[in-house]
Amino acid sequence: GAGVSQSPSNKVTEKGKDVELRCDPISGHTALYWYRQSLGQGLEFLIYFQGNSAPDKSGLPSDRFSAERTGGSVSTLTIQRTQQEDSAVYLCASSFAKPYEQYFGPGTRLTVT
Amino acid sequence: GENVEQHPSTLSVQEGDSAVIKCTYSDSASNYFPWYKQELGKGPQLIIDIRSNVGEKKDQRIAVTLNKTAKHFSLHITETQPEDSAVYFCAASRQTGANNLFFGTGTRLTVIP
Repeated sequence: GAGVSQSPSNKVTEKGKDVELRCDPISGHTALYWYRQSLGQGLEFLIYFQGNSAPDKSGLPSDRFSAERTGGSVSTLTIQRTQQEDSAVYLCASSFAKPYEQYFGPGTRLTVT
Repeated sequence: GENVEQHPSTLSVQEGDSAVIKCTYSDSASNYFPWYKQELGKGPQLIIDIRSNVGEKKDQRIAVTLNKTAKHFSLHITETQPEDSAVYFCAASRQTGANNLFFGTGTRLTVIP
């Protein structure tokens, strides 16, 4: 079946601009996660959504980062006033139940110039 | 929170040899330990996982062992093939009190034909 999809696959933006990254989870998965992967590093947790519950935002690095999940499915990660240190690959994952068996999308590579 | 350390950071083996990657974790309450394989330009792919009620799990050429007393777990790949070349990540989490996976920093495995 269809896996997790993300768009765009690549995004180049100028410092100070806002960007939106999209994630379509696997159908039926109630849990959705965003992670950030900087060059040569492991995955850093950003935010978690589960059904209609309030999201766990404990991993967001600053108030420039926000995310929403509409209708319990598609999620959008927004980064306002982008900085060069925001350059990374942003990965989305989904699962039936947290935190087990998370399936990842291909990621969005963000480059801030 | 949980801290996962992974070694080695790079590993080169001859085709047909075995490869072993080791991880340690700090939170004794962690009970779920997945391994992911990430190929260039792709998202991490879940290849095997183990839960704390078992000590070993095998899937064809891949096996994972868990020592809860010592808080470490390992990935074993036998009869390595060039297509096993990738970056491997270990992770740890627990079902309650955590919403995300905590990842190691990755091991770049190169299988030399």
